[in-house]
Amino acid sequence: EAGVVQSPRYKIIEKKQPVAFWCNPISGHNTLYWYLQNLGQGPELLIRYENEEAVDDSQLPKDRFSAERLKGVDSTLKIQPAELGDSAVYLCASSAAPGPRNEQFFGPGTRLTVL
Amino acid sequence: DAKTTQPNSMESNEEEPVHLPCNHSTISGTDYIHWYRQLPSQGPEYVIHGLTSNVNNRMASLAIAEDRKSSTLILHRATLRDAAVYYCIANTGNQFYFGTGTSLTVIP
Repeated sequence: EAGVVQSPRYKIIEKKQPVAFWCNPISGHNTLYWYLQNLGQGPELLIRYENEEAVDDSQLPKDRFSAERLKGVDSTLKIQPAELGDSAVYLCASSAAPGPRNEQFFGPGTRLTVL
Repeated sequence: DAKTTQPNSMESNEEEPVHLPCNHSTISGTDYIHWYRQLPSQGPEYVIHGLTSNVNNRMASLAIAEDRKSSTLILHRATLRDAAVYYCIANTGNQFYFGTGTSLTVIP
């Protein structure tokens, strides 16, 4: 079974440019998460989807970040415009269902460098 | 917030058992304790989880204190491939707080 797929794996852009990350969760997984991971820190949740609905986006900086999950499968996270401080790894994860019992499956992440 | 506290780093000799501690004194009765690990340049990988009873799987064992305020991840025989950052998480279902984890070094 294929795991969580993310692309691109690496992205280098100049500040003020837009950037987008794509995630394909494990087939059948209704819950999808986007995390941000700074160097030396653990992942921090940006947004959680149940099917196509964003049920927790309280930590998403909405002035420059946006996300969508059309049809409740693939998801895209966008930053416009990017700032130097956005350099980090962006992780996507999915789980079969919400709730504290269910494990999350993570993709390899997209490493963003903003120059 | 049901946050967790872990030592920043630990070392173990290869083929010896490793006990990774975690404190979660503010955990609620319905929070599950999850452990994940992250190898360099990879996303976190699920290791084990439990609620009240000790749990075993092919990767590790999880020992949960009777008052649930702490837990210990046990790797029975550390290998070089176990060198990673280990995260202990109190999963409320709505919040999944990773913290900074414990960086495990395995010495050959």
